[in-house]
Amino acid sequence: IAGITQAPTSQILAAGRRMTLRCTQDMRHNAMYWYRQDLGLGLRLIHYSNTAGTTGKGEVPDGYSVSRANTDDFPLTLASAVPSQTSVYFCASSDSPGGSYNEQFFGPGTRLTVL
Amino acid sequence: GQNIDQPTEMTATEGAIVQINCTYQTSGFNGLFWYQQHAGEAPTFLSYNVLDGLEEKGRFSSFLSRSKGYSYLLLKELQMKDSASYLCAAQNRDDKIIFGKGTRLHILP
Repeated sequence: IAGITQAPTSQILAAGRRMTLRCTQDMRHNAMYWYRQDLGLGLRLIHYSNTAGTTGKGEVPDGYSVSRANTDDFPLTLASAVPSQTSVYFCASSDSPGGSYNEQFFGPGTRLTVL
Repeated sequence: GQNIDQPTEMTATEGAIVQINCTYQTSGFNGLFWYQQHAGEAPTFLSYNVLDGLEEKGRFSSFLSRSKGYSYLLLKELQMKDSASYLCAAQNRDDKIIFGKGTRLHILP
């Protein structure tokens, strides 16, 4: 693979179910991010990781958790999905969280619908 | 608070020039990014400005004024494939990137 991949591409989920969105990059980037994109609201940061083993909360972290066990993978978990989590989710990575090195490369997105 | 403002939609004609403005208010400032996003696709990087002035890259140029909290993206010789959303994003002192809601650009033949 080259770049950043996400799985699944799309998913329909019943409310209350647990769901993990997967994200993998092969660019050896230090920083990784999860965003949600909703019509009229733009991209909003959910969680981020500046380096393997560390994570931080973004603008809208409630209801989501992440882990960063290694450099390549950054899964996002919805412990108990709710309809307001219906969105398009983008994973991104950058060489470093600082300055111009924070040019972010985005995955293709996961379209999640919670019923 | 932190805020990025850009127009919601713009329309321009093929072959013309269009300027998309962006104003930002962030807690400190470490740089300004522009991304392009075609419908149904992921955002892709266009430009990065940290110093005042104009950065030119082919048909696209980006300008920054740090004192005014202002940037613009200039697209020349517009092509139909330039129809997309353009996202302005400012990086604050903690290196957190705040995205604007995007400007949807429509190109007419």
